Amino acid sequence: AQTVTQSQPEMSVQEAETVTLSCTYDTSESDYYLFWYKQPPSRQMILVIRQEAYKQQNATENRFSVNFQKAAKSFSLKISDSQLGDAAMYFCAYKSGLEDFGNEKLTFGTGTRLTIIP
Amino acid sequence: ETGVTQTPRHLVMGMTNKKSLKCEQHLGHNAMYWYKQSAKKPLELMFVYNFKEQTENNSVPSRFSPECPNSSHLFLHLHTLQPEDSALYLCASSPGSPEQYFGPGTRLTVT
Repeated sequence: AQTVTQSQPEMSVQEAETVTLSCTYDTSESDYYLFWYKQPPSRQMILVIRQEAYKQQNATENRFSVNFQKAAKSFSLKISDSQLGDAAMYFCAYKSGLEDFGNEKLTFGTGTRLTIIP
Repeated sequence: ETGVTQTPRHLVMGMTNKKSLKCEQHLGHNAMYWYKQSAKKPLELMFVYNFKEQTENNSVPSRFSPECPNSSHLFLHLHTLQPEDSALYLCASSPGSPEQYFGPGTRLTVT
């Protein structure tokens, strides 16, 4: 079974600075997807970024980028120019590429609570 | 706003009550999911429905009973719950791509 580990329960960053959240995972599969989700106090889980394992290029979405190290099974999230609205719980998630579409099962880490210091 | 809605947002119920959680999406997605989110634990997948058919029951106790009358609606019927069932219950849907889109959740407290 796959596992996802987020070793930083809490992180804080000064507004406008850069912060990196860590995630490692364990799998024997070669085809899979990785995600970062954000859960603000409103509780809505919002997709931040997605990475396909077969892609060597790291995904980027505006101020959010990942450092995907497949051999090391590491998937960190970098947030640049941190803003107050970035304060939230951040969850790393894994999805096998072997399952049929429409029957996706996401495996989540325990999350990292990010605080933005004004 | 992801297009997935859940009602109620908060629910307090006694152990002998029967209640239902509702999830609705009009995104045209064919798969819907129930997750349980407890403090300091990873999200736990409970049920998966694909085209109204249940394709996954992740060893969930029978006091939780899902219902999917159509691809847009998903219910979770609750009866004789235990205090340890208090949690945030999240619904999600997916269109057949790897991403899942979540609702805002129902905060359930069992007294």
